[in-house]
Amino acid sequence: GAVVSQHPSWVICKSGTSVKIECRSLDFQATTMFWYRQFPKQSLMLMATSNEGSKATYEQGVEKDKFLINHASLTLSTLTVTSAHPEDSSFYICSARGDSSPLHFGNGTRLTVT
Amino acid sequence: AQRVTQPEKLLSVFKGAPVELKCNYSYSGSPELFWYVQYSRQRLQLLLRHISRESIKGFTADLNKGETSFHLKKPFAQEEDSAMYYCALSEGHTGRRALTFGSGTRLQVQP
Repeated sequence: GAVVSQHPSWVICKSGTSVKIECRSLDFQATTMFWYRQFPKQSLMLMATSNEGSKATYEQGVEKDKFLINHASLTLSTLTVTSAHPEDSSFYICSARGDSSPLHFGNGTRLTVT
Repeated sequence: AQRVTQPEKLLSVFKGAPVELKCNYSYSGSPELFWYVQYSRQRLQLLLRHISRESIKGFTADLNKGETSFHLKKPFAQEEDSAMYYCALSEGHTGRRALTFGSGTRLQVQP
């Protein structure tokens, strides 16, 4: 079946550096991708929605200049956490759907900022 | 704005006992409701959706619009059902079609 691949699975970075997370749809064209963040013992919170070829739509309270989302192709979206700080440490999950395919989730990326 | 509430963080039952995971929602339109499951060290995966009205792995869920609920039920729990369960809502065929998740319920089925 359809699979969404997310990379890396986990990353540790120093405060002030930037981290890029990739989300790929492996056997379908992902016209829409969603980025979620999950803090420990909390639910998944939608950060932004990205449609291929257009700017991402961010949820209220999510800084677009800090969380850069690029969805340049139908199989790849990236989330870059710029100038990361310890409070950005979280579990980031992408999901993707095509025009006629259901929603599929990536395995998530655990980001730890030291 | 839409909201999904799962009142129980943890539900612990013995094998063979009935299970009901509660989910209530608030949304002014006609939502689509889903249950997702996350087994240990695995990704989120769809368990069932209300429009399908199907039973998956013995689980069923009925949308009750009057009570705005979408509780997940299984008559006889199995140990392999132990997982994290999330109720989620989508704005249906209009809007962004992103999912709003509840806070999740961890189901522990003891032998």
